[in-house]
Amino acid sequence: GESVGLHLPTLSVQEGDNSIINCAYSNSASDYFIWYKQESGKGPQFIIDIRSNMDKRQGQRVTVLLNKTVKHLSLQIAATQPGDSAVYFCAESAHRYNFNKFYFGSGTKLNVKP
Amino acid sequence: GAVVSQHPSWVICKSGTSVKIECRSLDFQATTMFWYRQFPKQSLMLMATSNEGSKATYEQGVEKDKFLINHASLTLSTLTVTSAHPEDSSFYICSARGVGSAYEQYFGPGTRLTVT
Repeated sequence: GESVGLHLPTLSVQEGDNSIINCAYSNSASDYFIWYKQESGKGPQFIIDIRSNMDKRQGQRVTVLLNKTVKHLSLQIAATQPGDSAVYFCAESAHRYNFNKFYFGSGTKLNVKP
Repeated sequence: GAVVSQHPSWVICKSGTSVKIECRSLDFQATTMFWYRQFPKQSLMLMATSNEGSKATYEQGVEKDKFLINHASLTLSTLTVTSAHPEDSSFYICSARGVGSAYEQYFGPGTRLTVT
């Protein structure tokens, strides 16, 4: 499958600070990206998605930025809370070539310190 | 809405036996279901794509005779780990995509398999 990787395996932030989690992907044909949150022993939970025709999308306290030129996307979490502590994965898909299968990055563990 | 369940949530079996894991979409019809496995502190690895009424498509390196997938209805897919060995111990997660949905997939809570 496509290679999707993350720069930082572990990120520790203070409660109330903003968090930025990064992800690099290698398939230039990827046209859809999702960020997932996974708590220990549970399945992934959808956070936010972005299509390749966009470079920014905002949700509630979260923003995803996509830079297709360098094949990089990031997840920004505003005012990080203890409940945000989890592992975050980016996933990418190339609609044209693999019928919307998703390949996951290696994950970043976010630790929120009270 | 869009709830996916898995059963069992955890299972312990002896080496050489087979284990079946169920994935159900509870409030929607899923034309496509995906099966992933996840080792501790690692990412999700796509194993196979299952379309209702047809044979599953396996990712490179995944043994189709080892991991039998059946998607007999629009709400149920099963993964059977045959002749399980300790190295098959992992967290197995399914996801489901609804009819008419292009990208969205909803994940189940996962099944922890331990082979002794």
